[in-house]
Amino acid sequence: NAGVTQTPKFRVLKTGQSMTLLCAQDMNHEYMYWYRQDPGMGLRLIHYSVGEGTTAKGEVPDGYNVSRLKKQNFLLGLESAAPSQTSVYFCASSSFRAGASSEQFFGPGTRLTVL
Amino acid sequence: AQSVTQLGSHVSVSEGALVLLRCNYSSSVPPYLFWYVQYPNQGLQLLLKYTSAATLVKGINGFEAEFKKSETSFHLTKPSAHMSDAAEYFCAVSDMNRDDKIIFGKGTRLHILP
Repeated sequence: NAGVTQTPKFRVLKTGQSMTLLCAQDMNHEYMYWYRQDPGMGLRLIHYSVGEGTTAKGEVPDGYNVSRLKKQNFLLGLESAAPSQTSVYFCASSSFRAGASSEQFFGPGTRLTVL
Repeated sequence: AQSVTQLGSHVSVSEGALVLLRCNYSSSVPPYLFWYVQYPNQGLQLLLKYTSAATLVKGINGFEAEFKKSETSFHLTKPSAHMSDAAEYFCAVSDMNRDDKIIFGKGTRLHILP
């Protein structure tokens, strides 16, 4: 099993450009998440999904959109990139177990620079 | 609202010395607590988690953490540091009623001195 994979690993954008980050998991997990990691800020949740066709806002959703058309994929879009979106983006997934918080499995990250 | 506070953004210990990384949490319900580790240029991986079964939790690579409700703490320890333990460590808390979301602390970078 590949676990959680992210595409691309690195990307440089100019202000105003758009892009989509792809997250794929092969563990049949119901839940998927997008985080951003900035120095001294820890991980902050951007958007998440509790199942195919559903999405919800996290702590820092502004400037991002997401889609979960297939259970195994979770896409993060930047419509008009800004320098403040320079960050490392992590995708994670977890399985649903009622009444028990389960481990989140993380991808290797995408390093995005917006000039 | 839930939150975690990690004391010290950087901690340095000598190889072979005790590792102690501090985490305090805030939660209005019995929490689930986690420690994750991030090695350079990698994603996070789970070290250990507390789910109310036992207050002393053992994880991978010789790490353990003790849940102390009276102190609202979940400190991470390892008796003897190894050079390979150099990484960033994140404490996290989860409310099982809120879509399995996890709230992460800001992280503590552990430096191992030879």
